[in-house]
Amino acid sequence: QVQLVESGGGVVQPGGSLRLSCAASGFTFSWLPMHWVRQAPGKGLEWVAFLQNDGRIDNYADSVKGRFTASRDTSKNTFYLQMNSLIPEDTAVYYCARGADYAYWFDPGGQGTLVTVSS
Amino acid sequence: QSALTQPPSASGSPGQSVTISCTGTSSDVGGYNSVSWYQQHPGKAPKVMLYEVSKRPSGVPDRFSGSKSGTTASLTVSGLQADDEADYYCSSYTGSYSWVFGGGTKLTVL
Repeated sequence: QVQLVESGGGVVQPGGSLRLSCAASGFTFSWLPMHWVRQAPGKGLEWVAFLQNDGRIDNYADSVKGRFTASRDTSKNTFYLQMNSLIPEDTAVYYCARGADYAYWFDPGGQGTLVTVSS
Repeated sequence: QSALTQPPSASGSPGQSVTISCTGTSSDVGGYNSVSWYQQHPGKAPKVMLYEVSKRPSGVPDRFSGSKSGTTASLTVSGLQADDEADYYCSSYTGSYSWVFGGGTKLTVL
């Protein structure tokens, strides 16, 4: 069955960096785009990032553009989110999500990883 | 990109039907048949319930249905059950590999 396991969250000071990982299994990772979605404490969902299956096309929410970068390692079936210049508003649970082949929807599958930006 | 508009709350009794709306613009909901709905129980990850307006992933009961008219999409839950009590979020593709969520609706089963 499909499994997505996020890791790498933690507490970081404003201005700091963190890299999240998402280990994927149960599907052909190289075939599908991937996304990151986040949820601030007590708030709703926010789409954060998209990366095409071959890594050639990416896009980001305006709130993180220029600070966050998504990448993937097909040999490790792992999806990443490099987060730089973190601000308190980035505090959230981050979920990775499996995209759909030639379609515009996604399915978050993991338990998420909590990122806390605080001094 | 502004968030899609959902009612903050909805409710119904067991066995009844409830409909949750999701209003956007011609740049998102009205421009693409790429509206998805997500169910999230407290402390759990969101789960996709519908995609492409009305399609159900494997395992989602047919009590969940979706539709769209113009710039408003709707999720209908029929035959309400206690376990349907959760937060529901809509999402729409907005073009150029961007997506937007609604603010979420808390569904209460009375």
